[in-house]
Amino acid sequence: DIQMTQSPSSLSASVGDRVTITCRASQTISSYLNWYRQKPGKAPNLLIRATSTLRSGVPSRFSGSGSGTDFTLTISSLEPEDVATYYCQQSYSPPYTFGQGTNLEMK
Amino acid sequence: QVQLVQSAAEVKKPGASVKVSCKASGYIFSNYGISWVRQAPGQGLEWMGWISTNNGNTIYAQKFQDRVTMTTDTSTYTAYMELRSLRSDDTAVYYCARSIVVVPEYWGQGTLVTVS
Repeated sequence: DIQMTQSPSSLSASVGDRVTITCRASQTISSYLNWYRQKPGKAPNLLIRATSTLRSGVPSRFSGSGSGTDFTLTISSLEPEDVATYYCQQSYSPPYTFGQGTNLEMK
Repeated sequence: QVQLVQSAAEVKKPGASVKVSCKASGYIFSNYGISWVRQAPGQGLEWMGWISTNNGNTIYAQKFQDRVTMTTDTSTYTAYMELRSLRSDDTAVYYCARSIVVVPEYWGQGTLVTVS
């Protein structure tokens, strides 16, 4: 199975900050990397698929980059509603594993 | 609008089976596959498998291969996930999701399955 490792596991940031979350795959996954946001008590919400394709309706402050084994989710200017846990997922080879999550809190 | 509505919470004894349903609306059911993902209390997301609503083909995570069956009923736009031989560590919220190829896009509200 492909292991997905996110860093950091948690972070605290202020409104307006630029936030970066990284995701590393244990083997190459080309560009088959997706990002989700999960607010407490809610189902996950797809933000970005295939590394950098922003889902319709997702704010443009979210962006993704990377290829191979190293990927990044960037929030250009943090908003209060971005308090959530963020997960990466590879869709290159089944089982389509998720990272362990990054808990984003507001300072 | 796209909606996936899942069945209500269940409490099961160890060794029993559970069948979770996922009723889709707002789109053509057979145009998108359905993924199943679970989340144990306070834990991360775990991918369980995927089913094609077009031909019934399935991909299961090896971990669940012997205990899970995913099916669909195209006449009622409903997907099902049955998990057998339940253990306490199967206690989790189970999600279905309409998928772009295999990427979960629109998610159901989740079904809590408690094994106790």
